[in-house]
Amino acid sequence: EADIYQTPRYLVIGTGKKITLECSQTMGHDKMYWYQQDPGMELHLIHYSYGVNSTEKGDLSSESTVSRIRTEHFPLTLESARPSHTSQYLCASSGNHRGLHYGYTFGSGTRLTVV
Amino acid sequence: GDSVTQMEGPVTLSEEAFLTINCTYTATGYPSLFWYVQYPGEGLQLLLKATKADDKGSNKGFEATYRKETTSFHLEKGSVQVSDSAVYFCALDTGTASKLTFGTGTRLQVTL
Repeated sequence: EADIYQTPRYLVIGTGKKITLECSQTMGHDKMYWYQQDPGMELHLIHYSYGVNSTEKGDLSSESTVSRIRTEHFPLTLESARPSHTSQYLCASSGNHRGLHYGYTFGSGTRLTVV
Repeated sequence: GDSVTQMEGPVTLSEEAFLTINCTYTATGYPSLFWYVQYPGEGLQLLLKATKADDKGSNKGFEATYRKETTSFHLEKGSVQVSDSAVYFCALDTGTASKLTFGTGTRLQVTL
């Protein structure tokens, strides 16, 4: 019943390659987020968007970029991948209902390995 | 600023044992509180939530009560199963920034 989809699930690429991690949601949520999760489990917000043509950098500095041209789509791009980018990347979305915050819905994640 | 503090793991329990994972928070407003669970190789799933003081969130045998006086939202389950082995995240949202603040996660391992 997942309503937010991330592709690919796993990716192994060489250093210097350009990659785009895809994230799409079918819930009509305005807000979308990208998190980087390190092996110690902690989540770091790297990008977020409150709507079409709105993107902001998160709490953790990242060399990646994002775009939000359509409500349902929030791709993340690395122009030149490095081994330090090896991590799990989680996409999430959020919508409000009757003024109450219902938290995030997360995708299944993309596990990226840069060799 | 807002923050969430969780007990450090890993927590290792035998099947059918009682579980408590502590979570306390600091927030300037009146936050909504959440517990998320992450199974191996997966994203996070919302486990339960509470939006105001004294609310009790519950799901799949897990419970947590929003305690404003102690700024806590401890997760409990009366009898854990091996299938509960996962990482549990406490989180809050004050609604002002539309961003969840997460704790660092607590790994739970349940053995037979």
